Amino acid sequence: NAGVTQTPKFRVLKTGQSMTLLCAQDMNHEYMYWYRQDPGMGLRLIHYSVGEGTTAKGEVPDGYNVSRLKKQNFLLGLESAAPSQTSVYFCASSYLDPTPSGNEQFFGPGTRLTVL
Amino acid sequence: AQSVSQHNHHVILSEAASLELGCNYSYGGTVNLFWYVQYPGQHLQLLLKYFSGDPLVKGIKGFEAEFIKSKFSFNLRKPSVQWSDTAEYFCAPSMDSNYQLIWGAGTKLIIKP
Repeated sequence: NAGVTQTPKFRVLKTGQSMTLLCAQDMNHEYMYWYRQDPGMGLRLIHYSVGEGTTAKGEVPDGYNVSRLKKQNFLLGLESAAPSQTSVYFCASSYLDPTPSGNEQFFGPGTRLTVL
Repeated sequence: AQSVSQHNHHVILSEAASLELGCNYSYGGTVNLFWYVQYPGQHLQLLLKYFSGDPLVKGIKGFEAEFIKSKFSFNLRKPSVQWSDTAEYFCAPSMDSNYQLIWGAGTKLIIKP
């Protein structure tokens, strides 16, 4: 069981470039999330998905797009990167039914993105 | 509005000291409560959780937390910290069995050897 994996681990972009971050989970979770973590601000939800083919905006969605074509994968795209998107990005997943585990989210190792 | 507050952003302790990190949330309904830990350079992992039953829950590495409903609090405790507890700690309630977690700003804990 790999759990939640993210690729790449590190990336440096120039302003205006695009890229896609990949998240994969092998726990058959329905819910998947993309967060960004910035110093002193905790985790902020960018987008999330409640199932294959569905996505929804979180707290800070501007400048990002997502897709969930397969249940196990959740992609985060930056169409035109800006320095303000320099951050650490975490993917997480959780069960459909919150009862057994109380909504516990399982996290990937993160992607450190720098936009110059 | 639903919110969560972690009172201390930075805490510095010596080894063997006792630890208590505060977490308060603002919501009158059903809550599930989580503490996550992030060791330097690592991803977030679950420390402990409460969703029903005994309000005193025990987690990994000797940590525990007490859910006090009347105070809307879920404080994290450890009687004797170790240098390896140096990390950032996040409180994250989930309200009304919603799948989303509301994240606190985090508390950076530094343990001096």
